Amino acid sequence: DIVMTQSPDSLAVSLGERATINCKSSQNLLYTSNKKNYLAWYQQKPGQPPKLLIYWASTRESGVPDRFSGSGSGTDFTLTISSLQAEDVAAYYCQQYYSYPLTFGGGTKVEIK
Amino acid sequence: QVQLVQSGSELKEPGASVKVSCKASGYTFTTNALSWVRQAPGQGLEWMGWINTNTRKPTYAQGFTGRFVFSLDTSVNTAYLQISNLKAEDTAIYYCARDARGCTGTDCFTYFDDWGQGTLVTVSP
Repeated sequence: DIVMTQSPDSLAVSLGERATINCKSSQNLLYTSNKKNYLAWYQQKPGQPPKLLIYWASTRESGVPDRFSGSGSGTDFTLTISSLQAEDVAAYYCQQYYSYPLTFGGGTKVEIK
Repeated sequence: QVQLVQSGSELKEPGASVKVSCKASGYTFTTNALSWVRQAPGQGLEWMGWINTNTRKPTYAQGFTGRFVFSLDTSVNTAYLQISNLKAEDTAIYYCARDARGCTGTDCFTYFDDWGQGTLVTVSP
């Protein structure tokens, strides 16, 4: 199984400041034939289901604010919130879809400092 | 717009069974596979497996074989998760999630673009 490791477990960021979340996979997620990284990011607010933010490691889902961006390739990935807003308080999860079983990172909780 | 509406919370005793439903609307039901994802209290997300909405073939992740059954009723665009012989450790929120890539084959390596609201299943004497 591909193990997804997120860091940090939680972080507190001031409003308007940058938040950076890391996700490391135990295996390469870059499919060489199409040069795509099989990695997605989700946001989960308390009491709500997860919401898709990013897929193919860096493609923003329709309607997602452009302060959210994804980067990285291979085994190391990053989700960046460029200017944290109050509504961004949530848990964030990465997910690999390169192979079965599909696996998620353990999550990162983002709070306001 | 796409909607996945799940059935309400359940409180069950150990050893009982539960059937959670996930009714889809806003798209053609058979064009996207559906997965089930478990979230234990205060924990992260765990993929349980998926069901091909064309062939009805379920695929279960390790740890979700035997007591867990995925099924469909395409006449009402609904997927089901049945769990038998419930144990305390089955207490969790169960989500259905739609495959974003339109999987039609035997495998579905996908991310999820829509989720049900979740069904809390509590197992307690």
